Amino acid sequence: ETGVTQSPTHLIKTRGQQVTLRCSSQSGHNTVSWYQQALGQGPQFIFQYYREEENGRGNFPPRFSGLQFPNYSSELNVNALELDDSALYLCASSLDSGGPPREQYFGPGTRLTVT
Amino acid sequence: SQKIEQNSEALNIQEGKTATLTCNYTNYSPAYLQWYRQDPGRGPVFLLLIRENEKEKRKERLKVTFDTTLKQSLFHITASQPADSATYLCALQRVTGANNLFFGTGTRLTVIP
Repeated sequence: ETGVTQSPTHLIKTRGQQVTLRCSSQSGHNTVSWYQQALGQGPQFIFQYYREEENGRGNFPPRFSGLQFPNYSSELNVNALELDDSALYLCASSLDSGGPPREQYFGPGTRLTVT
Repeated sequence: SQKIEQNSEALNIQEGKTATLTCNYTNYSPAYLQWYRQDPGRGPVFLLLIRENEKEKRKERLKVTFDTTLKQSLFHITASQPADSATYLCALQRVTGANNLFFGTGTRLTVIP
């Protein structure tokens, strides 16, 4: 187990709705990254938060937004859901000490289905 | 943009043999390359990290090589076991900017008893 948890496990939403996914990072980890994984594909980077500030963003529209809290938890919000948003959403935590990048610890993911 | 290709979608291998998975990338050379294992319905699990100035890294039955000239990494599992059956993902990481990973599409390995 990586010590990273996500909720909920599964979620079904209707097109146009909004969704909030939650992640609890490993204790002491100051960086959280969110990824979207479509079926049969590798995870795609959405964005990263470092000490509660957005630290980088992938090729995702602004309707994907996030928050990181001081208690090692974070959220991914998606507005105006589209059918193509159906995927496994993964959060990954890591400890960024300003030195070389390290491995990331992934949660089990939230399976989002948009109908 | 960075393009990462893993040699095949699926690889079947007999138990006890060595499995070799390939990861090729284009454009910029990453500073770090990582390999992850992913089981169905679960998040990726970190296996090995190799830096651009390292040629080879080993951990138990796993070995990773990194050739920045060929822009290729090879991932080997020796004495493969059915429990090694999973999808293996390579991921590239730059030294500057966000500490995010660029993943390949993965290779699904099946070890046949």
